[in-house]
Amino acid sequence: ETGVTQTPRHLVMGMTNKKSLKCEQHLGHNAMYWYKQSAKKPLELMFVYNFKEQTENNSVPSRFSPECPNSSHLFLHLHTLQPEDSALYLCASSQGDLPGETQYFGPGTRLLVL
Amino acid sequence: GQNIDQPTEMTATEGAIVQINCTYQTSGFNGLFWYQQHAGEAPTFLSYNVLDGLEEKGRFSSFLSRSKGYSYLLLKELQMKDSASYLCAVRDSGGYQKVTFGTGTKLQVIP
Repeated sequence: ETGVTQTPRHLVMGMTNKKSLKCEQHLGHNAMYWYKQSAKKPLELMFVYNFKEQTENNSVPSRFSPECPNSSHLFLHLHTLQPEDSALYLCASSQGDLPGETQYFGPGTRLLVL
Repeated sequence: GQNIDQPTEMTATEGAIVQINCTYQTSGFNGLFWYQQHAGEAPTFLSYNVLDGLEEKGRFSSFLSRSKGYSYLLLKELQMKDSASYLCAVRDSGGYQKVTFGTGTKLQVIP
């Protein structure tokens, strides 16, 4: 239990569906992240929010839309996804302003796009 | 940009020692992390190196040479539960939040 929770844990959706992934951290951190993890590929950073402001968008397609209403919650809204978007989506959080800070990961949402 | 290389898979025997290497080529450097990830679970933090040398933490140690762009994770007295993927990750100088991960090394511990 890392203090970062994600729902749902598993999601199957069609290409025309709209769904949202939710992440919540109970660590009092100020930075939150979305990563994508595909088989045999490294973890890919998608978005970074620091103090609720988006500070990084790693050339992610617009069919992925993040939302950070406060420092404890992070959403990833999904719309018109493609089968190649099937992957494990990991949320993480960190303190946000320390040189040696560690990122704490949630358990992930396993997404399958049909 | 960042380029991080680590072996894809390794096998080692219970009770033995294994060394997992990581080399990196980066436009900047602000620390190197090792994470452990069991199948179907979240990555968990193992170690952080920002200065050259060895950091020891129980059965796990991590080494860094910044001039060589090289790190290793050393696991001693291997246990079956150590079977997992080990991810090397580098933070560049662009900020505390931006960390680039390698593909991970899948370690199998056999009896």
